[in-house]
Amino acid sequence: DIQMTQSPSSLSASVGDRVTITCRTSQSISRFLNWYQQKPGKAPKLLIYAASSLQNGGPSRFSGTGSGTDFTLTISSLQPDDFATYYCQQSYTSPQTFGQGTKLEI
Amino acid sequence: QVQLVESGGGLVKPGGSLRLSCAASGFTFSDYYMNWIRQAPGKGLEWVSHISDSGITTYYADSVKGRFTISRDNAKNSLYLQMNSLRAEDTAVYYCARATRGAHSSGYFYYFDYWGQGSLVTVSS
Repeated sequence: DIQMTQSPSSLSASVGDRVTITCRTSQSISRFLNWYQQKPGKAPKLLIYAASSLQNGGPSRFSGTGSGTDFTLTISSLQPDDFATYYCQQSYTSPQTFGQGTKLEI
Repeated sequence: QVQLVESGGGLVKPGGSLRLSCAASGFTFSDYYMNWIRQAPGKGLEWVSHISDSGITTYYADSVKGRFTISRDNAKNSLYLQMNSLRAEDTAVYYCARATRGAHSSGYFYYFDYWGQGSLVTVSS
């Protein structure tokens, strides 16, 4: 199975900050990497697919980069609605594994 | 609009069985791979199983292989997860999720673009 390592596991930031979350995979997955946002008690929501494509309706302050084994999710200017947990997920091969999550706190 | 609604969760004793259902609407169900993904209380996301659009191909996480069975009824726009020999570690919120496929020069990729609200399964004596 492909192992996913997100960093940091948690992060404190303020409204207006620029934030970067990293996801590293145990083997190359080309650009087959997705990012999700989850708020407490809610289902995850797709933010970014194929490493850098913004999901329809997603705020443009979210962006993704990377290929191979190293990927990043960047929020250019944090908004109050962005405080949540973020997960990366690889779709290169089954089982489709998730990172352990990054909790973004105020 | 796309909707996925899970049902069938509840409290079950270790060794027991439960069947989850996911009712889909707002899209052509038979065109999409479907998945079950779970989240134990306070933990991260764990992909459980997927089934191809036709229902012919299935795949399972090692943690549930041989105990869980995914199936679908395209005529009823429904996805199912039959869970047998349940263990305490199967306690989780179970989500059904639609997988959309895209094409890349390196092959096909998938992403989970719609999720249900989740159904809680508690395995406890």
